[in-house]
Amino acid sequence: QVQLVESGGGVVQPGRSLRLSCGGSGFTFSSYAMAWVRQAPGQGLEWVAAISYDGSNKYNGDSVKGRFTISRDSSKNTLFLQMNSLRPEDTAVYYCARGLGWFDYWGQGTLVTVSS
Amino acid sequence: EIVMTQSPATLSVSPGERATLSCRASQSVSSNLAWYQQKPGQAPRLLIYGASTRATAIPDRFSGSGSGTEFTLTITSLQSEDFAVYYCQQYNNWPRTFGPGTKVDIK
Repeated sequence: QVQLVESGGGVVQPGRSLRLSCGGSGFTFSSYAMAWVRQAPGQGLEWVAAISYDGSNKYNGDSVKGRFTISRDSSKNTLFLQMNSLRPEDTAVYYCARGLGWFDYWGQGTLVTVSS
Repeated sequence: EIVMTQSPATLSVSPGERATLSCRASQSVSSNLAWYQQKPGQAPRLLIYGASTRATAIPDRFSGSGSGTEFTLTITSLQSEDFAVYYCQQYNNWPRTFGPGTKVDIK
């Protein structure tokens, strides 16, 4: 069965960096576009970034443009989100999800807390 | 950016009754609209894509309709496991955007 498992979350000070990872299994990872979606505590869903199946196209939300970079290593079935210049408003559960349009499978999420 | 709105914010329904949730886009998204269900402490689950196509293993009591700017998710005969928050999402344009959600709770 399809599984997505995020890791790398934690508590980080404002201005610092963090890298999230998402391992995929149960499907041909290299054939699918992938995305990151976040959810601030008690809030709704916000799309963050997406990457095409082959990594040739990347898309970012306006709130993270210039600070976050999505990438993938399909040889290791892994999706990444490099987060730089973190702000308190980046505090959220970060989900990886499969797809470019609609998102048909989601991981359980990893919590990122930006606080001094 | 396309702004998605949902109504009502909260819908109180008795088990066995029908629930009708609305989603509106600030400009046309054609049929590029998905619906998700999220329960507390869980990841979202895809219910509907293409405005009206049920995702794998989604019961047929869930149905979606609409196109352009107006969309509806209907849940017939609500079951206990259906009480949750429901989000719509457009994928016609970048950035992808979600609505604020409708919470369906027990009346």
